[in-house]
Amino acid sequence: QKEVEQNSGPLSVPEGAIASLNCTYSDRGSQSFFWYRQYSGKSPELIMFIYSNGDKEDGRFTAQLNKASQYVSLLIRDSQPSDSATYLCATGDNAGNMLTFGGGTRLMVKP
Amino acid sequence: NAGVTQTPKFRILKIGQSMTLQCTQDMNHNYMYWYRQDPGMGLKLIYYSVGAGITDKGEVPNGYNVSRSTTEDFPLRLELAAPSQTSVYFCACQTSGGARGEQYFGPGTRLTVT
Repeated sequence: QKEVEQNSGPLSVPEGAIASLNCTYSDRGSQSFFWYRQYSGKSPELIMFIYSNGDKEDGRFTAQLNKASQYVSLLIRDSQPSDSATYLCATGDNAGNMLTFGGGTRLMVKP
Repeated sequence: NAGVTQTPKFRILKIGQSMTLQCTQDMNHNYMYWYRQDPGMGLKLIYYSVGAGITDKGEVPNGYNVSRSTTEDFPLRLELAAPSQTSVYFCACQTSGGARGEQYFGPGTRLTVT
């Protein structure tokens, strides 16, 4: 049974701070890793993906992957109240056919 | 383009009733998925399809059935509804090509079984 674990939160950060969201996964065969953002009552949307060990930056977002530790994280710099949402971590299988989602971390950015 | 559309948006079912949740995509993506999301939880995969005529079970398929006769449509059938099927149901699609894992989600169907 593949598992993806996230702290449910809420994680509360002040506006302008760095938010750090973490995720661990059980399947060592996972090849791809994704962060989806889900606003309350809405559907998930992809914000970052990462395939290789190290960091990947896109604007205010940085995804970090450590396959040896089976750990992936998302950093959000200069957090804004509009970043308040639930962030879902997901891992992809070898074939790229299926995703396994974590339970999500609720982020609250306070003005 | 509408992307992924789902109907209905909301539905209340009585125990033992049946219904079909509709999902249509106009993105010409081969892969389609049905997830359920219980309150405060992540997404659980119910069924998926990698192309017309091909379906496979996900993590939580019991109590559900699917069919995929066209690229565009992927309906989810609930037979003999139970309170445990109260959830939000999301349909998603994904290209079979390069951007694997980038799934596009519909707006969801909120189902209550009482």
